[in-house]
Amino acid sequence: EIVLTQSPGTLSLSPGERATLSCRASQSVISNYLAWYQQKPGQAPRLLVSATSSRATGIPDRFSGSGSGTDFTLTISRLEPEDSAVYYCQQYGSPPWTFGHGSKVEIK
Amino acid sequence: QVQLVQSGAEVKNPGASLKVSCNTSGYTFTTYGISWVRQAPGQGPEWMGWISPYNGHTYYAPRLQGRVTMTTDISTRTAYMELRSLRSDDTAVYYCARGPHHVYGLDVWGQGTTVTVSS
Repeated sequence: EIVLTQSPGTLSLSPGERATLSCRASQSVISNYLAWYQQKPGQAPRLLVSATSSRATGIPDRFSGSGSGTDFTLTISRLEPEDSAVYYCQQYGSPPWTFGHGSKVEIK
Repeated sequence: QVQLVQSGAEVKNPGASLKVSCNTSGYTFTTYGISWVRQAPGQGPEWMGWISPYNGHTYYAPRLQGRVTMTTDISTRTAYMELRSLRSDDTAVYYCARGPHHVYGLDVWGQGTTVTVSS
């Protein structure tokens, strides 16, 4: 089973700043099938990025994904107040398709 | 539009069984697999398994193997997740989600079903 480790646990930034979230896998993710999700309280997760860098429909271009192998990054280039949420990575290259434990982004 | 609508909240005793439904609309049901994901209070999501409505093929998370069964009914476009021998640590919000499909992750999610296991 691939273990995904996300960092930092919590990030506190001001609007307009850049957020960089890391997801490190315990072994290489097959085909770089790594997704990022945003979750706000009381809501289901929302797909942001598939296959490392492909933005989902309707996701603003301030969200971008990068990486390969075992190291992946989600960047939010210019934070907006509505970006306050928990962000999870998930690998779906080889079952079980595991999730990371999340990074919380707080907007000051 | 694509929608996944789940059954309502459940309260169960330890040792009981649970069956959650996920009714889909707005796309060809047999083209996409359905994943089940649960989230315990204050925790991250836990992937439980996946089923292909096309051929019934399943993957289950190893820690749930033997307690979980996923099925689909093509005639009603509905996916089901059954979990047996419930314990208190099965208390969670249970979600169905479409996918993953080729390069795409879980792109559409149900609204979630709150399950409480308590005596």
